[in-house]
Amino acid sequence: GENVEQHPSTLSVQEGDSAVIKCTYSDSASNYFPWYKQELGKGPQLIIDIRSNVGEKKDQRIAVTLNKTAKHFSLHITETQPEDSAVYFCAASKKSNSGYALNFGKGTSLLVTP
Amino acid sequence: ETGVTQTPRHLVMGMTNKKSLKCEQHLGHNAMYWYKQSAKKPLELMFVYNFKEQTENNSVPSRFSPECPNSSHLFLHLHTLQPEDSALYLCASSQAGGRETQYFGPGTRLLVL
Repeated sequence: GENVEQHPSTLSVQEGDSAVIKCTYSDSASNYFPWYKQELGKGPQLIIDIRSNVGEKKDQRIAVTLNKTAKHFSLHITETQPEDSAVYFCAASKKSNSGYALNFGKGTSLLVTP
Repeated sequence: ETGVTQTPRHLVMGMTNKKSLKCEQHLGHNAMYWYKQSAKKPLELMFVYNFKEQTENNSVPSRFSPECPNSSHLFLHLHTLQPEDSALYLCASSQAGGRETQYFGPGTRLLVL
């Protein structure tokens, strides 16, 4: 099955700096890559996603890049703010008989210090 | 909020108890999911329902029994759980038929004593 590796497991940055989280996947048939943000006491919330026919996608301070050849994708957060502090999960999926099963990384705990 | 609600938010139960977790989605979706989230581990998919039919059981022990009476409601019935079943149980929903984006509820924090 699909194996998603996520690094780093923890990341601390100062407010205003950039943060980068990287993920690799094993199944070359995976074609959908969402990123989720989970704040304390809440469920994961989708923040951005990318499909395999696109190399990069941006939404304000958040961007995701995908390298299909190397099977890795990254989340970039610029001008970080304290409210960006949360656990971030990457996931990879492909269509199966039951729909799209998401395979998640273990998460990155991001701390943005003022 | 995402439009997916879960009750209760917290649950403490003994190993001999029977309890149920409830999930409701207000998004008009046709696919619903149960995930287990444990510390230091990736989210684990447990069950998938498409149009009320179970389409995936990810080798989940029989002490977890899902029920999907309609496309808006999903239950997880718990019976004779073990302490290692303590975790955050998350429900999610999505459009069926190829729409991948899944929306998660806030989860039920379960503690088995």
